[in-house]
Amino acid sequence: DVKVTQSSRYLVKRTGEKVFLECVQDMDHENMFWYRQDPGLGLRLIYFSYDVKMKEKGDIPEGYSVSREKKERFSLILESASTNQTSMYLCASSGRGLAIDIQYFGAGTRLSVL
Amino acid sequence: QKEVEQNSGPLSVPEGAIASLNCTYSDRGSQSFFWYRQYSGKSPELIMSIYSNGDKEDGRFTAQLNKASQYVSLLIRDSQPSDSATYLCAVKRNTGFQKLVFGTGTRLLVSP
Repeated sequence: DVKVTQSSRYLVKRTGEKVFLECVQDMDHENMFWYRQDPGLGLRLIYFSYDVKMKEKGDIPEGYSVSREKKERFSLILESASTNQTSMYLCASSGRGLAIDIQYFGAGTRLSVL
Repeated sequence: QKEVEQNSGPLSVPEGAIASLNCTYSDRGSQSFFWYRQYSGKSPELIMSIYSNGDKEDGRFTAQLNKASQYVSLLIRDSQPSDSATYLCAVKRNTGFQKLVFGTGTRLLVSP
């Protein structure tokens, strides 16, 4: 089974802090994604990566950056956390070929910024 | 206009009934469509994908696609209380990388 592991289920941070959300997948997937999920807005793509050290902006990249130094790990960084970044963050991964469309999600990290 | 639209619900059906979930999309060139199920407090999981016009059946689930009318639907036959969840419709954008655009989801409640 594909496993996508997010390092924390719940995080509470203060405004202005630098926040790291970590995601690891064990299926040698090329593609990894970071989404945030908010009531009434659904899942929105923040950043994605299709290879090590490669990254592309999604629909809402402002205030975020990412890092992918190893194939299995994709990190989301909030450079200076703000209250409007309080949300559920979901990491996903997918393979290549026909499997490229099938995204597997981690359990999510619920981040509260106070 | 949202790229992918779903009625937020809740859609309430009795156990054993057919639940019908609908989704419309705006990009006429979209080719790939997906239904994800998300239980409360859990992450989404893929339950169906469909790429061609018509119906695709998998157990109690049937996905229907009509590209001319730009809608995709999910039918759940013999609905069970365990089907109570939020169902997310996702459409792959026709341009650029393999980015999925998700609808906001329809909450389904199946009562015993």
